[in-house]
Amino acid sequence: GAGVSQSPSNKVTEKGKDVELRCDPISGHTALYWYRQRLGQGLEFLIYFQGNSAPDKSGLPSDRFSAERTGESVSTLTIQRTQQEDSAVYLCASSRYRAGELFFGEGSRLTVL
Amino acid sequence: QQQVKQSPQSLIVQKGGISIINCAYENTAFDYFPWYQQFPGKGPALLIAIRPDVSEKKEGRFTISFNKSAKQFSLHIMDSQPGDSATYFCAASRGSRLTFGEGTQLTVNP
Repeated sequence: GAGVSQSPSNKVTEKGKDVELRCDPISGHTALYWYRQRLGQGLEFLIYFQGNSAPDKSGLPSDRFSAERTGESVSTLTIQRTQQEDSAVYLCASSRYRAGELFFGEGSRLTVL
Repeated sequence: QQQVKQSPQSLIVQKGGISIINCAYENTAFDYFPWYQQFPGKGPALLIAIRPDVSEKKEGRFTISFNKSAKQFSLHIMDSQPGDSATYFCAASRGSRLTFGEGTQLTVNP
């Protein structure tokens, strides 16, 4: 694909439900990042994958958040027992060379009612 | 602890004017300083970037000025256009981690 693809683009869920967000990175990009962006705010780092290395999970806000990636392919971000404060845009980015040159998807907008 | 501080939060400029956004960082280990541009409903896109061994980088109407001793860097948009209206994020990276500023919402009036 030409760019980073994320799905769904919009997700409305009820408090307490689980949600799964998907990211398909640019082919050949070994690094993959998840960020959270609350309305009108900056980008909050969640998790980083680099090839087959152990992921950097230091940004995950609670144990309700988890993410997986198999090799250099698709990644899924799972939020269990969603809360209203989880409402945000979840952005995925991939990179070939270094952290500064990230290519972002358009994000998945999550609304928890 | 916020490692990259960005100002102003919002900025309104007339068409043809100069837009200036400032950032300050704390961690001297940062070695790469990109700026990202984000339009509503879209993901951020890399605009321009600089390394700390360079004091200035220019690409078209966009210039980064970097002051290593002051731990500050800024984005200058010359001849600002309504199409430049967007949110701008400065960032700093060390290794695999990229830390973003809080963003500046720029509005360029026609």
